[in-house]
Amino acid sequence: DADVTQTPRNRITKTGKRIMLECSQTKGHDRMYWYRQDPGLGLRLIYYSFDVKDINKGEISDGYSVSRQAQAKFSLSLESAIPNQTALYFCATSDLASGSRDTQYFGPGTRLTVL
Amino acid sequence: DQQVKQNSPSLSVQEGRISILNCDYTNSMFDYFLWYKKYPAEGPTFLISISSIKDKNEDGRFTVFLNKSAKHLSLHIVPSQPGDSAVYFCAASDWGTSYGKLTFGQGTILTVHP
Repeated sequence: DADVTQTPRNRITKTGKRIMLECSQTKGHDRMYWYRQDPGLGLRLIYYSFDVKDINKGEISDGYSVSRQAQAKFSLSLESAIPNQTALYFCATSDLASGSRDTQYFGPGTRLTVL
Repeated sequence: DQQVKQNSPSLSVQEGRISILNCDYTNSMFDYFLWYKKYPAEGPTFLISISSIKDKNEDGRFTVFLNKSAKHLSLHIVPSQPGDSAVYFCAASDWGTSYGKLTFGQGTILTVHP
């Protein structure tokens, strides 16, 4: 089984709809991240969480919110989706205790299309 | 302001030859660098990393070189194989201020022809 899972894998929604993307991990890592990938722009950080009580904005957090329900679960919400939020979304985890400094482990991604 | 740049959107190489992927950065505080590989419909997977106290790190066919004075790193794949065809992202971090957050480049699409 995959260590980092994301649901759904694909989602098509309409402008103005609320949508939640979910991420779960079995790696036991404390740190979790949400990124979006757009063609030509690489991966950009939306939000990150270093533990259950710690949530931080990334470089492109406007229009997004997150919830860290447990160490293993980190959800990303779009309260009112807009077309320019169409992108690939990735969840990632990392753990200082693992000794592999800054190495993040990614889920398979969610392809979101906002019409 | 793109702090990590991969200026070549794509690279095409013949099987068995060397692939060289390049990455430039502007933030002199970056002290750890990573390369990730991404296949279609999958998430990025970690490939190799290098600390700023080193100038070279090798792992099998993959070698990363770091030139701190030029703020440049490169990934060498020797010999290249068709299975290496993927998007490659370089990433950098600055422990002092970013505490493990990564800044990614735009990615380079590598195609290895049989």
